[in-house]
Amino acid sequence: GAVVSQHPSRVICKSGTSVKIECRSLDFQATTMFWYRQFPKKSLMLMATSNEGSKATYEQGVEKDKFLINHASLTLSTLTVTSAHPEDSSFYICSARDGTEGIYEQYFGPGTRLTVT
Amino acid sequence: GQNIDQPTEMTATEGAIVQINCTYQTSGFNGLFWYQQHAGEAPTFLSYNVLDGLEEKGRFSSFLSRSKGYSYLLLKELQMKDSASYLCACMDSNYQLIWGAGTKLIIKP
Repeated sequence: GAVVSQHPSRVICKSGTSVKIECRSLDFQATTMFWYRQFPKKSLMLMATSNEGSKATYEQGVEKDKFLINHASLTLSTLTVTSAHPEDSSFYICSARDGTEGIYEQYFGPGTRLTVT
Repeated sequence: GQNIDQPTEMTATEGAIVQINCTYQTSGFNGLFWYQQHAGEAPTFLSYNVLDGLEEKGRFSSFLSRSKGYSYLLLKELQMKDSASYLCACMDSNYQLIWGAGTKLIIKP
């Protein structure tokens, strides 16, 4: 089956620093990747949609200069949280959609728990 | 606007059957997904319905009625490990997923 990896799984950083999270599709080519964040006991909140080779599309209210997304290849997307603050602490999850026509399922990575102190 | 509704929480007994309902209103419709999410973990895919009717997959079944904007996830022979949140998500005309808030299912012995 389709596997998506995410690294790191947990990260603790100091306020003001930047953190990069990687999302990789291991056995398929992902033309589209999605970045979500999830607060405790809440549903997934889509942050942005990333298409390979083009700029990410951010959801309303998500600061694109704070959450930098790069989708440089068909198997890798990165999310960089710049100048992190405690309120950025959250569970960040990526998902990837197979580029094959007719396949719309999103495969999720295991998530990254970010804690900003 | 787009909206997905599902109950916040349900409780069921081990070995029993439970049905989790989901109603939706979206701009266009390209299918409905059910995902399972255990606490602290990412969602895992359970089912995808795009045509009306029942799709059965082992202990789990999913039903869709497009005319009613309604789906349900049926879990049979409940096991303690089925305790999780169940997320309903619709794919709109832009092939974007619109997520429900999830139903927390508590299984009691």
